[in-house]
Amino acid sequence: DTGVSQDPRHKITKRGQNVTFRCDPISEHNRLYWYRQTLGQGPEFLTYFQNEAQLEKSRLLSDRFSAERPKGSFSTLEIQRTEQGDSAMYLCASSGDHWPSYNEQFFGPGTRLTVL
Amino acid sequence: GQQVMQIPQYQHVQEGEDFTTYCNSSTTLSNIQWYKQRPGGHPVFLIQLVKSGEVKKQKRLTFQFGEAKKNSSLHITATQTTDVGTYFCATGNTGKLIFGQGTTLQVKP
Repeated sequence: DTGVSQDPRHKITKRGQNVTFRCDPISEHNRLYWYRQTLGQGPEFLTYFQNEAQLEKSRLLSDRFSAERPKGSFSTLEIQRTEQGDSAMYLCASSGDHWPSYNEQFFGPGTRLTVL
Repeated sequence: GQQVMQIPQYQHVQEGEDFTTYCNSSTTLSNIQWYKQRPGGHPVFLIQLVKSGEVKKQKRLTFQFGEAKKNSSLHITATQTTDVGTYFCATGNTGKLIFGQGTTLQVKP
């Protein structure tokens, strides 16, 4: 399978715990994005990378969220001290890095986070 | 910042009927993308429109970008049960996409 993969697919945690999600993009894609989606809403942008550089981070993203892409391949998204409001589907996407291909984003299956 | 609004939020149609969803913005957009998300699935890219008045077709799907580049529509002719899902419009300038709330289509066989 050469699509975007995410791990784990589901995560249940208790409030206050830290969680980490992994995303493996399509291998030839330089750009990697993280989005969050709650029920009945469209995906909400969190952050994105070009290779290993984090180019933009949403102002809505609190300091409890951090993302890395250390070697420009896979990425991790960590949420510290989880809160019930963090419960959502966390989607990863990847794309090429030239116009207009960077708007054609390929999404992974997502990680569904439930914070109890 | 940029926002795109979609109407309607939900649409129920009988199989074979047509369906249209609309995406509107108060500001001029440089581009519009359309994505489809099946129930329990993830968004899948359908198309990107960039030119004023652009019309593109994919089989039974017709996509339009308004002359003023402030609105877009997706029209499905003769819906089938496989068309069920949520259709999102999105826009972006640097790769960061801003999505609308989506229109969820239900098709009764």
